[in-house]
Amino acid sequence: DAKTTQPPSMDCAEGRAANLPCNHSTISGNEYVYWYRQIHSQGPQYIIHGLKNNETNEMASLIITEDRKSSTLILPHATLRDTAVYYCIEWAGANNLFFGTGTRLTVIP
Amino acid sequence: SAVISQKPSRDICQRGTSLTIQCQVDSQVTMMFWYRQQPGQSLTLIATANQGSEATYESGFVIDKFPISRPNLTFSTLTVSNMSPEDSSIYLCSVEGPPRAFFGQGTRLTVV
Repeated sequence: DAKTTQPPSMDCAEGRAANLPCNHSTISGNEYVYWYRQIHSQGPQYIIHGLKNNETNEMASLIITEDRKSSTLILPHATLRDTAVYYCIEWAGANNLFFGTGTRLTVIP
Repeated sequence: SAVISQKPSRDICQRGTSLTIQCQVDSQVTMMFWYRQQPGQSLTLIATANQGSEATYESGFVIDKFPISRPNLTFSTLTVSNMSPEDSSIYLCSVEGPPRAFFGQGTRLTVV
């Protein structure tokens, strides 16, 4: 069973920030929060990951609550090419990733 | 980082036949993972393949149906045997390249 909980779908207007929430209330101390996305059945693409501090890279920002039970992925200026299924995953490395059902983000022109 | 090449990218196969999918990585990796993604569904792990040992299969997947080879640290194959239409899926290989996992582009299999 998936250990993270995400809304099944979200819409976002093009050019606006997309905020994708994830609950991971049972995350272990050594597990990171990873975000991947899958565009139209291509292979999953890494976006960002973090342990407890907020993180930012060229693709997105990751905000993790202080108790680490939830996080938010932020795409600052969503484009049509960001339409995809976004997966939030708890992972300590050294084993396979467990994919839940993810959030289907649709960016609307 | 790791670059993964999967072949074929897609295929249409007759029921009862077998298809072997190849996964080539541009660096040596200890573990390789094979996933299945059925239409409209998320990814499900089929098995973990370590070089020099038999693959470890997840519940619901058996070696006779999905034999895996791992002859060296950069290559693996997954065979889908005696195919039926229910095997129509995307099959993906993945490797761990800390701190992240990398995925091939997948093999889209249609069984008719």
